[in-house]
Amino acid sequence: GESVGLHLPTLSVQEGDNSIINCAYSNSASDYFIWYKQESGKGPQFIIDIRSNMDKRQGQRVTVLLNKTVKHLSLQIAATQPGDSAVYFCAEGDNFNIFYFGSGTKLNVKP
Amino acid sequence: GAVVSQHPSWVICKSGTSVKIECRSLDFQATTMFWYRQFPKQSLMLMATSNEGSKATYEQGVEKDKFLINHASLTLSTLTVTSAHPEDSSFYICSAYRVNGNTIYFGEGSWLTVV
Repeated sequence: GESVGLHLPTLSVQEGDNSIINCAYSNSASDYFIWYKQESGKGPQFIIDIRSNMDKRQGQRVTVLLNKTVKHLSLQIAATQPGDSAVYFCAEGDNFNIFYFGSGTKLNVKP
Repeated sequence: GAVVSQHPSWVICKSGTSVKIECRSLDFQATTMFWYRQFPKQSLMLMATSNEGSKATYEQGVEKDKFLINHASLTLSTLTVTSAHPEDSSFYICSAYRVNGNTIYFGEGSWLTVV
C-alpha cells in the first residue's frame, strides 16, 4: 500500500553542486516509476520517468537510476539551482492500475 | 501550460455541506484518473483510481460514500466530498493518465477548508 511520511527528510546542497535523492519502493510488480517535484501549495510536477526494462534514463540536468534487485530508485540533479528547491517524490505504478507515492524528500538549495 | 486542470483551487465550506472538485484533462483523453489527498508535510495518499465509464476503485480505508467519484467522460472526473467535516480539510490532487505519451500528469490541486 501507499506510504505516508510524517517528517520529510531534508537534503541540503550548495548551489552548483550535484544532488542525489533516493527512494526505496516496495512492490516487486511495479514496472513504471516517476519522479515528481512539488513546490509548496502546488500539485506535483512531472520530472522524469523510467520503465522496469531500463536501468538509467537521462533528461535535462536530471538522471534517474533504477536498481530492481534492491528495489531502489534515485534521482540525480546536476548543477543544482535555487529553483530546484522543492519536495521530490518518487512514485511506483503497476500498469497504471495503482500508483503509489513515496514519502518525499525536501531539497534545500543554498545560494 | 497546464495539461490537467482542477477546479476550484480553493474552497471553504460549512460543515455538513457537500463540495465537488473537478479534474479535467485539457488536450488529451484520460481513460484513467487518480485522486489523492495530501496533509501538510506528508506524502500524497492515493484515495481512488477512476476509470472512464466504470466505478472507481477505492483504496482501503477510504469511504466511497463519503468521497464520491464520477468519471463520466474521457476528459473529466469529479470528486464530491459529501457532508464535509473539518477533518476533511486537506489538499486534494488529481492526476490523469495520458495514453499518447504514456505519462501521468497532475492537476494543481484543490484546497478544501471545512469550517
